[in-house]
Amino acid sequence: EPEVTQTPSHQVTQMGQEVILRCVPISNHLYFYWYRQILGQKVEFLVSFYNNEISEKSEIFDDQFSVERPDGSNFTLKIRSTKLEDSAMYFCARGGTVYGYTFGSGTRLTVV
Amino acid sequence: DQQVKQNSPSLSVQEGRISILNCDYTNSMFDYFLWYKKYPAEGPTFLISISSIKDKNEDGRFTVFLNKSAKHLSLHIVPSQPGDSAVYFCAASDRGAQKLVFGQGTRLTINP
Repeated sequence: EPEVTQTPSHQVTQMGQEVILRCVPISNHLYFYWYRQILGQKVEFLVSFYNNEISEKSEIFDDQFSVERPDGSNFTLKIRSTKLEDSAMYFCARGGTVYGYTFGSGTRLTVV
Repeated sequence: DQQVKQNSPSLSVQEGRISILNCDYTNSMFDYFLWYKKYPAEGPTFLISISSIKDKNEDGRFTVFLNKSAKHLSLHIVPSQPGDSAVYFCAASDRGAQKLVFGQGTRLTINP
């Protein structure tokens, strides 16, 4: 099955700036997710997106975060005003628990 | 939040021998467990999963064992190969939820 493609692979941004991370997960799946991994820590759930709506979000996913599926195939994560602690690897994923998720290769976000 | 724990941050095994990676969980609502393998700068790759109604699932060199009474699962890799060197994450999901809760990961090194 085709991979999940994420762009960019690395993004450097200044604190307070907005960033948009992009994912192409293939449109015939219903569930999409964003996870992140701060360096040296565990992979953490951010948000799940089902049928073009947020179905669940974590405490991390505050008002600074938003997700969209603007054109039926791309899936984006926006951080409105980045903080230093937002520096992490961000992974897009599709699928579900029964058949396993397919994760993208990630976007490394560095906030300076 | 330590619902899924991998207490060994690292493990070193001789090539050809068995690798055993362990994972403990606290949430009795978890009903599906997955193992992922991760290389640096890549997303997690699904390896094998097990439902809470089973106690063993096997796929080639990989076998996952689930002990519900002990809230413990383990991943056995036999025989271990150099390409198995990576970080292994245990993950779990609970009934009705699609999100995964990850452990901290165990870095497996296979020595020639």
